[in-house]
Amino acid sequence: DTAVSQTPKYLVTQMGNDKSIKCEQNLGHDTMYWYKQDSKKFLKIMFSYNNKELIINETVPNRFSPKSPDKAHLNLHINSLELGDSAVYFCASSQAGTTYGYTFGSGTRLTVV
Amino acid sequence: DQQVKQNSPSLSVQEGRISILNCDYTNSMFDYFLWYKKYPAEGPTFLISISSIKDKNEDGRFTVFLNKSAKHLSLHIVPSQPGDSAVYFCAASGDDKIIFGKGTRLHILP
Repeated sequence: DTAVSQTPKYLVTQMGNDKSIKCEQNLGHDTMYWYKQDSKKFLKIMFSYNNKELIINETVPNRFSPKSPDKAHLNLHINSLELGDSAVYFCASSQAGTTYGYTFGSGTRLTVV
Repeated sequence: DQQVKQNSPSLSVQEGRISILNCDYTNSMFDYFLWYKKYPAEGPTFLISISSIKDKNEDGRFTVFLNKSAKHLSLHIVPSQPGDSAVYFCAASGDDKIIFGKGTRLHILP
């Protein structure tokens, strides 16, 4: 009965590969997000989707492509992985604006070797 | 360009005493401020928030204070308990997104 679930939890892959991280929420929220926590521990927003529509697209390389098949899912596909992509990626969801806070998944630790 | 700054990377407090975590921000257009708590290998969890039109919000042991003129907010935890040991992120809401600080690691000492 996890509210926001991400898979996989850990991902180790070689440079140049393409990988996907999946996220699902069962809270009935209408907005979903991807955040990246880098080695300096900053949590930075990458994308947000509201009802399957892209709302926010921060300055992220176009190797990163989010896909939202429905409002309960927001997947992140990354092409041609680079060493600098190593980070923890958090999915989150929210309802009724940001004032109620986000519910985060437990994160996916991506290591590119 | 950090819009939300937490200048103390870590803080140690004796159990039972008050923990005070500080946060500064630069954008006066933020409309809400939030605190999140994060345990290792878990995602951040929402703790407490405050509207930009208020100066204090209290929820049990947790109180957030906002000083708009100083662009400063703080989280008070009293009394501090062992389970409060975690990383605390200050965050600010505006333009349909939340911007996070770098976090402060709180250690509650027995």
